[in-house]
Amino acid sequence: KAGVTQTPRYLIKTRGQQVTLSCSPISGHRSVSWYQQTPGQGLQFLFEYFSETQRNKGNFPGRFSGRQFSNSRSEMNVSTLELGDSALYLCASEGGGETQYFGPGTRLLVL
Amino acid sequence: QKEVEQNSGPLSVPEGAIASLNCTYSDRGSQSFFWYRQYSGKSPELIMFIYSNGDKEDGRFTAQLNKASQYVSLLIRDSQPSDSATYLCAVKGIQGAQKLVFGQGTRLTINP
Repeated sequence: KAGVTQTPRYLIKTRGQQVTLSCSPISGHRSVSWYQQTPGQGLQFLFEYFSETQRNKGNFPGRFSGRQFSNSRSEMNVSTLELGDSALYLCASEGGGETQYFGPGTRLLVL
Repeated sequence: QKEVEQNSGPLSVPEGAIASLNCTYSDRGSQSFFWYRQYSGKSPELIMFIYSNGDKEDGRFTAQLNKASQYVSLLIRDSQPSDSATYLCAVKGIQGAQKLVFGQGTRLTINP
């Protein structure tokens, strides 16, 4: 099976802009979770989608949003970007066995 | 108190020795425990998961869980330089939430 794919892999934006990241889970997996990883805060949970519904949400401001499509692909959007949003954004796919498999990540730099 | 705590290291171990990585968690009701390995610039890779008290072995890796002490560990036998990475402990079920909560990670270096 192909693994989790994320696009784009690298992104440079300026403050105030918005960005959309995409994640395609492992075939057959219906759950997609998003995480933000920074050197200072480590890996932090953003939200999880299952069958097009947000099932869990982390403690991030409303500028961070997501959605999931009927084919389980997921997108996350960050509006009004801030310098502190520079991070590695990871998505993880879960197939019902509790284990999550991570994609390669999208590295976002906000200038 | 952090929900999941790990010693950030760095932990330095000679090649061929046993590397021992430790993790404690705050919520006694936590259900599932995972170890991920992350090489610099890469995404986390699942090594092992454990749900029940005791030991679980997979090749050179052994995960140990003690729910009474709220402690989970990972042992790496016959450490190789390729094991040098950051090891992340993750816990699911903290406060009933079905999401992974990660520790800060332990940086492990295996010295040839």
